[in-house]
Amino acid sequence: GAGVSQSPSNKVTEKGKDVELRCDPISGHTALYWYRQRLGQGLEFLIYFQGNSAPDKSGLPSDRFSAERTGESVSTLTIQRTQQEDSAVYLCASSLAAGGYNEQFFGPGTRLTVL
Amino acid sequence: QKEVEQDPGPLSVPEGAIVSLNCTYSNSAFQYFMWYRQYSRKGPELLMYTYSSGNKEDGRFTAQVDKSSKYISLFIRDSQPSDSATYLCAMNGGSNYKLTFGKGTLLTVNP
Repeated sequence: GAGVSQSPSNKVTEKGKDVELRCDPISGHTALYWYRQRLGQGLEFLIYFQGNSAPDKSGLPSDRFSAERTGESVSTLTIQRTQQEDSAVYLCASSLAAGGYNEQFFGPGTRLTVL
Repeated sequence: QKEVEQDPGPLSVPEGAIVSLNCTYSNSAFQYFMWYRQYSRKGPELLMYTYSSGNKEDGRFTAQVDKSSKYISLFIRDSQPSDSATYLCAMNGGSNYKLTFGKGTLLTVNP
């Protein structure tokens, strides 16, 4: 079956512009996660959705970052007024459920470059 | 001190070598330990996971967890050029969905 898909695969933007990154999780997966991977760094947790609710937004680095999920499916991560330090690969993952052990399946990521 | 420490390498070995990758961690609440493999410009894919302490073997791969030392390892036997990738350790607590990752170790297996 189809895995997690993300779009765009690459995004180049100018400092100060807003960007939207999209994630389509595996059908039926109730949990969805966003991570950020900066060059030479491990994945950094940003936000978690259970259904359409986000019980944990603790990883969002600033109020310029927001995310939503609709229809218990697609999710959008929005970064407003982008800064150069936002340059990273943004990875989305989904799992059947959350808690205990539930394998998180990752998408290919969106590579964001802020000039 | 970061919660999870992993030597980023790079690590270069000849084909057929035994590879040892490891991570240390500080959070004693971690119960699930995972190894992900990430090829260049791809998302991470789960290689193995282990619950609590112990060993787990899957083909050429063996994962070990020593909770008393807060140390986990991944061994790759008879390494192949196709094993060339970045290997990320990840872990979480029982009721915690959030994965905490190491930085990843870049491995190159030379033919």
